[in-house]
Amino acid sequence: AQSVTQLGSHVSVSEGALVLLRCNYSSSVPPYLFWYVQYPNQGLQLLLKYTSAATLVKGINGFEAEFKKSETSFHLTKPSAHMSDAAEYFCAIRGGSQGNLIFGKGTKLSVKP
Amino acid sequence: EPEVTQTPSHQVTQMGQEVILRCVPISNHLYFYWYRQILGQKVEFLVSFYNNEISEKSEIFDDQFSVERPDGSNFTLKIRSTKLEDSAMYFCASKRRDGNYGYTFGSGTRLTVV
Repeated sequence: AQSVTQLGSHVSVSEGALVLLRCNYSSSVPPYLFWYVQYPNQGLQLLLKYTSAATLVKGINGFEAEFKKSETSFHLTKPSAHMSDAAEYFCAIRGGSQGNLIFGKGTKLSVKP
Repeated sequence: EPEVTQTPSHQVTQMGQEVILRCVPISNHLYFYWYRQILGQKVEFLVSFYNNEISEKSEIFDDQFSVERPDGSNFTLKIRSTKLEDSAMYFCASKRRDGNYGYTFGSGTRLTVV
């Protein structure tokens, strides 16, 4: 069965600093991995997805993630944090026969001025 | 950009009452999903729906839950007799076809059972 684990329920960075949100996965088949962002009182917005093409995936808003099979990781990064990046971020893996998503517990990102 | 629309945004109901949460998926999408997020917890899969039938459901999706696509545009989630523990944010999602494309999620309905 597939699963994802997000390390750190809360990450705080200064504006302009590197953002690193960690996600490790477990899967018995080649995984399809996603990062979603949830702004307060809003739905889930797809940031980026890994579908077995390039291991370095670029997403919206300057985010990117690198798939590392040897480390079973799919960490999300952004070189320079912006105040508008403050949100909750969810890593997810495709599971099930109909492609339902299995989410991690989420990491809340705070950005300090 | 096409959106998945959910109504209402917030619903308060008495324990034991029936509630229907409504969703309008993107018009050319074929796969539909309901997820829920209890406050402070992770987003959990409830059910997937394709070709007018349930294709997969989680153990959360018991006999108290049902889904329907009554008119080809709406996609509803019904909870027959709500319990306090049903209080959560419920998200509808849709995708165009099978494959690894990202879903489009709605903004959610916050259900509060009192």
